[in-house]
Amino acid sequence: DTEVTQTPKHLVMGMTNKKSLKCEQHMGHRAMYWYKQKAKKPPELMFVYSYEKLSINESVPSRFSPECPNSSLLNLHLHALQPEDSALYLCASSQVVAGVSDTQYFGPGTRLTVL
Amino acid sequence: DQQVKQNSPSLSVQEGRISILNCDYTNSMFDYFLWYKKYPAEGPTFLISISSIKDKNEDGRFTVFLNKSAKHLSLHIVPSQPGDSAVYFCAAIRVTSNTGKLIFGQGTTLQVKP
Repeated sequence: DTEVTQTPKHLVMGMTNKKSLKCEQHMGHRAMYWYKQKAKKPPELMFVYSYEKLSINESVPSRFSPECPNSSLLNLHLHALQPEDSALYLCASSQVVAGVSDTQYFGPGTRLTVL
Repeated sequence: DQQVKQNSPSLSVQEGRISILNCDYTNSMFDYFLWYKKYPAEGPTFLISISSIKDKNEDGRFTVFLNKSAKHLSLHIVPSQPGDSAVYFCAAIRVTSNTGKLIFGQGTTLQVKP
């Protein structure tokens, strides 16, 4: 089983709203990732969590706030977003073997529209 | 600086024939390469990978070839099927950096015609 689930599938929010994206995996993976993908572009890494600790923040604006409450869950809290933040947000997870991240498996994504 | 490049934005192939998708990279420190397939409005699906210590990896209809001296890899799909029509992303990672940071190419849209 290589399933990563994400909720919601679609989200429309105003610039003053606060919302959260959720990601879950039960593969025992200890690394989890958030990516952002704009149309006709490759996924761009936002954050990496390794063993529930934030290990990489790719200079993402503070209006995006990640959280990893346990080894199976990853959240992305959104506040005061801009219309240009509209994109497909992808979660991924990977096994960590001897401190090295293995193949990343992606969820289906959340299609976010900011009005 | 685009470290992973897929120079062909699109490719059209007849069903049953071979599809060859190409990828070039510039960073010689990359030591692991992956191909993902993506349908619209879905997340990328892992297809096949190859370590830099190998030059070929095969999984069913999919074969990935790596030419380290040319910094080039290719994905061969034989025989191609209409269900293979999707965007294919090449990705590279420097495993030894322990960051887990995948670098993706721009993607190639494959259309397999019945």
